[in-house]
Amino acid sequence: DQQVKQNSPSLSVQEGRISILNCDYTNSMFDYFLWYKKYPAEGPTFLISISSIKDKNEDGRFTVFLNKSAKHLSLHIVPSQPGDSAVYFCAVRRRDDKIIFGKGTRLHILP
Amino acid sequence: DSGVTQTPKHLITATGQRVTLRCSPRSGDLSVYWYQQSLDQGLQFLIQYYNGEERAKGNILERFSAQQFPDLHSELNLSSLELGDSALYFCASSVVSRASGSSYNEQFFGPGTRLTVL
Repeated sequence: DQQVKQNSPSLSVQEGRISILNCDYTNSMFDYFLWYKKYPAEGPTFLISISSIKDKNEDGRFTVFLNKSAKHLSLHIVPSQPGDSAVYFCAVRRRDDKIIFGKGTRLHILP
Repeated sequence: DSGVTQTPKHLITATGQRVTLRCSPRSGDLSVYWYQQSLDQGLQFLIQYYNGEERAKGNILERFSAQQFPDLHSELNLSSLELGDSALYFCASSVVSRASGSSYNEQFFGPGTRLTVL
């Protein structure tokens, strides 16, 4: 049973516009929500996190929003740049510290 | 470069064989995690070691085992390999086993080992 769902396998966005990646989770017993980014032939790299007690966290062009009532997490990238083309994994940290990843969304930034 | 190294980069072997994947964590990191990424799956957590001891277990098959050595490097052993074991295997490391307070201790991932079982 998937606890973390990224329903869009891929997303294409024009350079300079906003990219919005979405993620749904099924359990309320998570204390941290994470986004990782992965380029081909490399391991995932941590992008941004948000605590379960917050609803927004911003870091430069990246903002993560948490809607606990809807069990929904989103990552906004604005403005989108060519180097943002990658696979983005949503992940949650359980209270026993295990991290559960979604299947990823491939983001294509179009010139 | 995350500072986590994994060897080999690629491994091709036959069904029924046994392989060992190696991981060196970032300098100073005591925790090592192993993940499997199959073709249409996200990253599946396999197992975690902290300072030489097993700390948490995920979806790791009985045919798989791991250990962390005194110098903190870790090895993942996969035996009686099956076609379905073909995947990318990632190692990650972090400073601590459990986050203190309300912060998230980032896991740093290695570049992965691509295992192909023929």
